[in-house]
Amino acid sequence: AQRVTQPEKLLSVFKGAPVELKCNYSYSGSPELFWYVQYSRQRLQLLLRHISRESIKGFTADLNKGETSFHLKKPFAQEEDSAMYYCALSWTGFQKLVFGTGTRLLVSP
Amino acid sequence: NAGVTQTPKFQVLKTGQSMTLQCAQDMNHEYMSWYRQDPGMGLRLIHYSVGAGITDQGEVPNGYNVSRSTTEDFPLRLLSAAPSQTSVYFCASTVRGTGGYTFGSGTRLTVV
Repeated sequence: AQRVTQPEKLLSVFKGAPVELKCNYSYSGSPELFWYVQYSRQRLQLLLRHISRESIKGFTADLNKGETSFHLKKPFAQEEDSAMYYCALSWTGFQKLVFGTGTRLLVSP
Repeated sequence: NAGVTQTPKFQVLKTGQSMTLQCAQDMNHEYMSWYRQDPGMGLRLIHYSVGAGITDQGEVPNGYNVSRSTTEDFPLRLLSAAPSQTSVYFCASTVRGTGGYTFGSGTRLTVV
C-alpha cells in the first residue's frame, strides 16, 4: 500500500538556521512527490513538486529513490516559514494524493 | 476565478443529523477530492472523482456519500452524523495529469 511517513511532528529552529523536514514514502512503482504548506488560518497550498525540480521560497527537495525519501530543505530559515508542512505521494494519473501526518515548523527569532 | 469554494465554513450537528458539505470549483478541473484533517493524522482521503458521473472511495469512506453530476460540483453527504466525524473537511481539485491540487478553505464540523 502507498504510505507517506513524516517522522517529526514538530521541528523548532532559530532564524537563519538550516532546515530539513523529513519525508519517506512507500510505493513500488514510479512515485510523484509533493510538498504542501499550510500557514496559520490559510488553506493548503502546493509548495513544490519533484517533477518540476524547482525551488520555491528557498525550499528544495530531491527525490532519492534508493532511500525512498523526499526531504524538504532550506539553508536559512525565516520566521515566515513557520507553518505546517505535508509531504504527499501520487502516481500515474494523479487521481489520488496520499498525505503524511505533517510536520509543524516553528522558526524563532 | 474563485478557485475552490467550500460552504459552510463552520457547522455544528447533533448526532444522527444529516447534512451536505458543498464544494464548487470554477477552473474546469476534472479531478476532485474530499479529505478530512485530524490532529496527528494528517489529511486522509474520503472520496474522489475523476470526472462527472465517476466517483470512488478513498481511505476513510464509511459514513460519507458523494456524487458528481457536474464538473464544477462535488458535494459530500453525511447521512447520520457521529462524533467521530468531528473534523476539518477539505475539498481539492486539479487538472487531469498534473497532480498539483488546489484546496478549498475548509469546513470545520463539530458533531455533538
